[in-house]
Amino acid sequence: EIVLTQSPGTLSLSPGERATLSCRASQSVSRSYLAWYQQKPGQAPRLLIYGASSRVTGIPDRFSGSGSGTDFTLTISRLEPEDFAVYYCQQYDISPWRFGQGTKVEFK
Amino acid sequence: EVQLLESGGGLEQPGGSLRLSCAASGFIFSNYGMSWVRQAPGKGLEWVSGIRESGAPTYYADSVKGRFTISRDNSKNTLYLQMNSLRVEDTAIYYCGKSQGWAGDLNYWGQGTLVTVSS
Repeated sequence: EIVLTQSPGTLSLSPGERATLSCRASQSVSRSYLAWYQQKPGQAPRLLIYGASSRVTGIPDRFSGSGSGTDFTLTISRLEPEDFAVYYCQQYDISPWRFGQGTKVEFK
Repeated sequence: EVQLLESGGGLEQPGGSLRLSCAASGFIFSNYGMSWVRQAPGKGLEWVSGIRESGAPTYYADSVKGRFTISRDNSKNTLYLQMNSLRVEDTAIYYCGKSQGWAGDLNYWGQGTLVTVSS
């Protein structure tokens, strides 16, 4: 099983700042089958990034994903007010297709 | 427009059973894998189970293996989750999700159905 560890647990930032979220896997995620989701309170998650770095159609280009193997990063280049939310990574290489525990991006 | 509508949640006693359904529309259901994901109150996301386009193979989290069964009826565009031997720790909102292809990358989600397991 692949276990994902996200860091930090909480990121306190201001609008306009850059957010860097980390996701580390307990073993290599082959084919870069790593996704990032955003979830706001009371809403279902939304897929942002798949294949580690491919942005879903309609997702703003301030969101970018990078990494391979065991280390992955979601970067939000300039935070907008609507970006304050919880972000989860997920590997879908090997079942069980687990999520990380999440990173909350909150207003500073 | 892709729509996923879950139903079947509710209050059940420990040891009991529930069957969740997810009615899909707006896409060719039989072409995509599907998954169930749950979220306990105030907690993170937990992937529960997945199923390939044709109905096999199926995949499960260790926490539900042997108790939950995922299935689909492609003629009815519906995904199911049969939940047996329910435990208090199964209490959560259960979401169904559509894969972009066959695996667990879910590009559409329902709004969820609440399952509460309590005596």
